[in-house]
Amino acid sequence: KQEVTQIPAALSVPEGENLVLNCSFTDSAIYNLQWFRQDPGKGLTSLLLIQSSQREQTSGRLNASLDKSSGRSTLYIAASQPGDSATYLCAVSLNQAGTALIFGKGTTLSVSS
Amino acid sequence: GAVVSQHPSWVICKSGTSVKIECRSLDFQATTMFWYRQFPKQSLMLMATSNEGSKATYEQGVEKDKFLINHASLTLSTLTVTSAHPEDSSFYICSANEMNTEAFFGQGTRLTVV
Repeated sequence: KQEVTQIPAALSVPEGENLVLNCSFTDSAIYNLQWFRQDPGKGLTSLLLIQSSQREQTSGRLNASLDKSSGRSTLYIAASQPGDSATYLCAVSLNQAGTALIFGKGTTLSVSS
Repeated sequence: GAVVSQHPSWVICKSGTSVKIECRSLDFQATTMFWYRQFPKQSLMLMATSNEGSKATYEQGVEKDKFLINHASLTLSTLTVTSAHPEDSSFYICSANEMNTEAFFGQGTRLTVV
């Protein structure tokens, strides 16, 4: 059974710091991996999607890497801002297109000004 | 990216009543939609897979007679929580995959049963 773990559960940093969020999964037979942002009481915003054949994806100040064989992904946030404060969720899809996602519990990030 | 719209965003209902939540894909067709539930400080957990024109597939431990799913068109899936009780209070959220790749989520529905 696929399990997704995110470390740390919570993180507080001052504005401007670069930071790394970690995600690990137990079964390397994934189709893709997505990082999401969730604001309190809100839905999910897709940040980055990495296909299983890819090693990384970048969008603005965000960079996500994927090491499928070791079951790990990292989300790197450069020059953090208070507006980045949210919960970041990592999710994997099983080994075919269009399947449901298995989520980690998330990392709650707080960036202070 | 694609847009998935979910309504209502929050609802308060009395114990024993039913609540319907709608999930629409606005700019693409979705033969499959997914319904998740999230309890406080917990991960999103898949409840069921909604299939257009056929019966939904429920995850283990999810009562199909309590959580009724209807996927009557390629752009609309509904989840009805029947005879709701306080333990059903949760955050319900739907998703659909565009082109069978990236998953897009609705805004979620905060259900409170009193």
